[in-house]
Amino acid sequence: SQQGEEDPQALSIQEGENATMNCSYKTSINNLQWYRQNSGRGLVHLILIRSNEREKHSGRLRVTLDTSKKSSSLLITASRAADTASYFCATGTASGTYKYIFGTGTRLKVLA
Amino acid sequence: ETGVTQSPTHLIKTRGQQVTLRCSSQSGHNTVSWYQQALGQGPQFIFQYYREEENGRGNFPPRFSGLQFPNYSSELNVNALELDDSALYLCASSPGQTSSGNTIYFGEGSWLTVV
Repeated sequence: SQQGEEDPQALSIQEGENATMNCSYKTSINNLQWYRQNSGRGLVHLILIRSNEREKHSGRLRVTLDTSKKSSSLLITASRAADTASYFCATGTASGTYKYIFGTGTRLKVLA
Repeated sequence: ETGVTQSPTHLIKTRGQQVTLRCSSQSGHNTVSWYQQALGQGPQFIFQYYREEENGRGNFPPRFSGLQFPNYSSELNVNALELDDSALYLCASSPGQTSSGNTIYFGEGSWLTVV
């Protein structure tokens, strides 16, 4: 079953604009990670945020985590055509088997 | 580069056959996980190995099995292939146990088509 649900499912923006993607989840988590996936390829790790953290930055990426609302957001500033990809959140849970549960992803298209 | 390599990159199998997918992790990464990603979906957790023992499994039948070796390589075996097994299979490794909240690093995946 999918724990994380990304929103929107698809997003199309112009180069230079900001892109915001949201992830909601259902159960308590230990940490949350964001990944990028170019078409048909492996997942590239972007950021890990722990449950006791509220915000993290990495270059043009900003991730927030609100455990009270069970949600996270990924902001990509000054987007580039090369940012075109699918973005997934993965929640790490200690409930039962420790594993990461992925959402269905947001497909981002950045138009040059 | 994540340091995780998978082989083969693409393969086609016939329903009922068996397949073995291979993964080589970064040196020192003693946890390896396998995920199945169907087209248009997010990755689904199959199982995880820590120090050569399975220590977690998702909702996959026993015909999905694995091995982890001391040299940081691992295998995913699938018996009695079904058409629905067609997917991208991803290997991920991490230093230490994922319960510690370590980052997991993915390989490029193996595309399996079952006909």
